[in-house]
Amino acid sequence: DAKTTQPPSMDCAEGRAANLPCNHSTISGNEYVYWYRQIHSQGPQYIIHGLKNNETNEMASLIITEDRKSSTLILPHATLRDTAVYYCIVRGLAGNMLTFGGGTRLMVKP
Amino acid sequence: DTAVSQTPKYLVTQMGNDKSIKCEQNLGHDTMYWYKQDSKKFLKIMFSYNNKELIINETVPNRFSPKSPDKAHLNLHINSLELGDSAVYFCASSQPGGTLNEQFFGPGTRLTVL
Repeated sequence: DAKTTQPPSMDCAEGRAANLPCNHSTISGNEYVYWYRQIHSQGPQYIIHGLKNNETNEMASLIITEDRKSSTLILPHATLRDTAVYYCIVRGLAGNMLTFGGGTRLMVKP
Repeated sequence: DTAVSQTPKYLVTQMGNDKSIKCEQNLGHDTMYWYKQDSKKFLKIMFSYNNKELIINETVPNRFSPKSPDKAHLNLHINSLELGDSAVYFCASSQPGGTLNEQFFGPGTRLTVL
């Protein structure tokens, strides 16, 4: 699976959009971009995934660049409960296992 | 209504002991996993298992063994516990294949080896 690079930490004001970047320059054509988050002392939670088109669900939006070498997870109106470590993971359909990197620690501040 | 549950939540034990952590999922998934999160917070896959195949991360010592009495359960047995085994262990489950393959994680078991 392709390696991902994320900033170690970010801050965001409550109510504002949180934009979390991820670089995956070695991604191959059949690999998907997944986002998970881990709130303190809990198990990771799936957020969203995509291949090449932008995706949106009730939790977030995922913007993937045209060359697919990077993506951005957007939390449109961050709340204090969104404070967590966010993991960007690239994985092909054939594999089941997730390879977690260091993630981005998002701190939402009042 | 817990989707993936683990017991115990906390486990404190002495070096050299043998212990087990239980995991149950009520989602009807075919594949289950064990992950280890160490003190530096890195999450690493240990095993992937369904009724056909066990995939082991080659870095996992053979003191660790998953045992599945049925499709809904995947227990983790650890023999001869060492200090370095102290970590939080997460169980997860998913349906194999497909474009989603979303994994559902349990709440974790914090293992402390003294």
